[in-house]
Amino acid sequence: QPVLTQSSSASASLGSSVNLTCTLSSGHRTYTVAWHQQQPGKAPRYLMRLERRGVHNKGSAVPERFSGSSSGADRYLTISNLQSEDEADYYCETWDSTTWVFGGGTKLTVL
Amino acid sequence: DVQLVESGGGLVQPGGSLRLSCAASGFSFSTYDMHWVRQSAGKGLEWVSCIGTAGDTYYPVSVKGRFTISRENAMNFLYLQMNSLTAEDTAVYYCAAGTTPDIWGQGTMVIVSS
Repeated sequence: QPVLTQSSSASASLGSSVNLTCTLSSGHRTYTVAWHQQQPGKAPRYLMRLERRGVHNKGSAVPERFSGSSSGADRYLTISNLQSEDEADYYCETWDSTTWVFGGGTKLTVL
Repeated sequence: DVQLVESGGGLVQPGGSLRLSCAASGFSFSTYDMHWVRQSAGKGLEWVSCIGTAGDTYYPVSVKGRFTISRENAMNFLYLQMNSLTAEDTAVYYCAAGTTPDIWGQGTMVIVSS
């Protein structure tokens, strides 16, 4: 089954941009990935679905500041013009025909 | 509004059973794959089970044989029957809709403790 690797933490300044990376395991480089945001004390929220060619399908009401891209086994979530409410945990997720897998999550701190 | 509302969580003794429910509204429930995902305190998200639109079911090794997912399309309900519970099953359990999934509930807390 696929394995997703994420950095445990990231930080960036208010108003700046940040790239969060999710890396697919060997043999699964073509998989589609989804990104979910979890603000402190809240349920997860779907952000977007990101295919290997970089096409992303964003959820409703997800700000334009959130975008995705792909390169090889890496799937990126880019957040521009960081706001305080973007401080959250970000999880990537993928699936095959019988299994769904989450990455360990990246805790984003907005400085 | 699109909504998923979980219920049925609570305190249960080790070895006990619990049934979670999830009420769906605002979307065509029968056409969505449905999931349960859990999160232990301070930990990440863990996929628990999926039921497809045709009733096909899938589980990770950690819960296979102990948990059973089911759905009642006529009433727009999703269920999770949990048996032989251990302390490691203590978590917030989320109901989620869609293959991805892209709709999340607010969660229900399950505590397994004597």
